[in-house]
Amino acid sequence: QVHLVQSGAEVKKPGASVKVSCKASGYTFTGHYLHWVRQAPGQGLEWLGRINPNSGGTTYAQNFQGRVTMTRDTSIRTAYMELSRLRSDDTAVYYCARDQGSVFFDFWGQGTLVTVSS
Amino acid sequence: QSVLTQPPSVSGAPGQRVTISCTGSSSNIGAGYDVHWYQQFPGTAPKLLIYGNSNRPSGVPDRISGSKSGTSASLAISGLQAEDEADYYCQSYDSGLSGYVVFGGGTKVTV
Repeated sequence: QVHLVQSGAEVKKPGASVKVSCKASGYTFTGHYLHWVRQAPGQGLEWLGRINPNSGGTTYAQNFQGRVTMTRDTSIRTAYMELSRLRSDDTAVYYCARDQGSVFFDFWGQGTLVTVSS
Repeated sequence: QSVLTQPPSVSGAPGQRVTISCTGSSSNIGAGYDVHWYQQFPGTAPKLLIYGNSNRPSGVPDRISGSKSGTSASLAISGLQAEDEADYYCQSYDSGLSGYVVFGGGTKVTV
């Protein structure tokens, strides 16, 4: 069955960068886009962008252009999301999610808590 | 401020029917893009509940249904059960400056 397993919680200082990984199993890794979505404490869902694991092509949300970088390593079936110049309001749970093919998400990772604090 | 607008909360007694609205605009729902719904329990990842406006993934009971009309969509839960108490989010595609994937702000359902 499909599984997306994310890396563990991170604590970062303002201005630093964080890189979260998402390891996929149970399906053809290059056959589905992977998206990244975050959720601040007590808040709703916010889309950061997506990566095509086959080509490496990316699309980023306008709010994160210039601060987010999504990459993948097909040899280990893992996608990465790096967010730079962290601020306190970047404190959130970050999720990777598989695109079923029509821009909706049928499987999600367990989430990675990123805390930004001085 | 979310691109898609949902009521912050709805409530109902066990066995009742509740509906959650999701209002968009001409650059997303009104442009014909599909609406999808997710259910989220505290401390867990969202789970796909409805895709393509009205389709249920395997395992989702048929007392849960979705619909779409114009610039809005709705999620209905009939025969409300205690296990339905959760947060619900709508999601669509936006062709404007808002971004590629957009979510509603979420609705807390209380039973």
